[in-house]
Amino acid sequence: VMTQTPLSLSVTPGQPASITCKSSQSLLHSDGNTYLCWYLQKPGQSPQLLIYEVSRRFSGVPDRFSGSGSGTDFTLQISRVEAEDVGVYYCMQGRHLPLTFGGGTKVEIK
Amino acid sequence: EVQLVESGGGLVHPGGSLRLSCAASGFTFSSRWMHWVRQAPGKGLMWVSDIDTDGSTTYYADSVKGRFTISRDNAKNTLFLQMNSLRAEDTAKYYCARDLHWGASDIWGQGTMVTVSS
Repeated sequence: VMTQTPLSLSVTPGQPASITCKSSQSLLHSDGNTYLCWYLQKPGQSPQLLIYEVSRRFSGVPDRFSGSGSGTDFTLQISRVEAEDVGVYYCMQGRHLPLTFGGGTKVEIK
Repeated sequence: EVQLVESGGGLVHPGGSLRLSCAASGFTFSSRWMHWVRQAPGKGLMWVSDIDTDGSTTYYADSVKGRFTISRDNAKNTLFLQMNSLRAEDTAKYYCARDLHWGASDIWGQGTMVTVSS
């Protein structure tokens, strides 16, 4: 089970934002990697990959997005929120079957 | 351009069947694991199934196991999801997605809507 908090976030442009994701079991694999990723689903669009393996930023993702954590506790941080960052953020674990998503965090701009 | 285009969705009665397709282009389809993920109206994302590069290994969510079958035709660059014994709770937009690494998907289609209703 992946538990995301908060459920929603209202952020002033230029301010930071943080979303946490807690897994009910460790996502660390014996190969040394941890399979936790983050997606953003903008309104009316398909999800887009932001971060994979906890902290690896996907190609083209702005460096204001960063991921951290280990084991069962993870965080997505946006250093300075911009208007284009609105949408629902999901964490997802790929370590155990079935693959599971967090419930989502809706980010809106104040 | 790397692209995934789903098709085959529609309205079906409970107990009915549908076959979804996902046409891939712009990349070597046969070298990538693929996923189906669904999203019920107004709800979050749920992983449905995935398949390895040659179709020999497949996995399913418990809620669809025994009713859904994932497959692929690498010669035609197409992913499929055969859905049988459909239930109202299967109503969702179904996305196909290309695996980047261990479940993280870097390319998603636009989705195809499946509505199960009498």
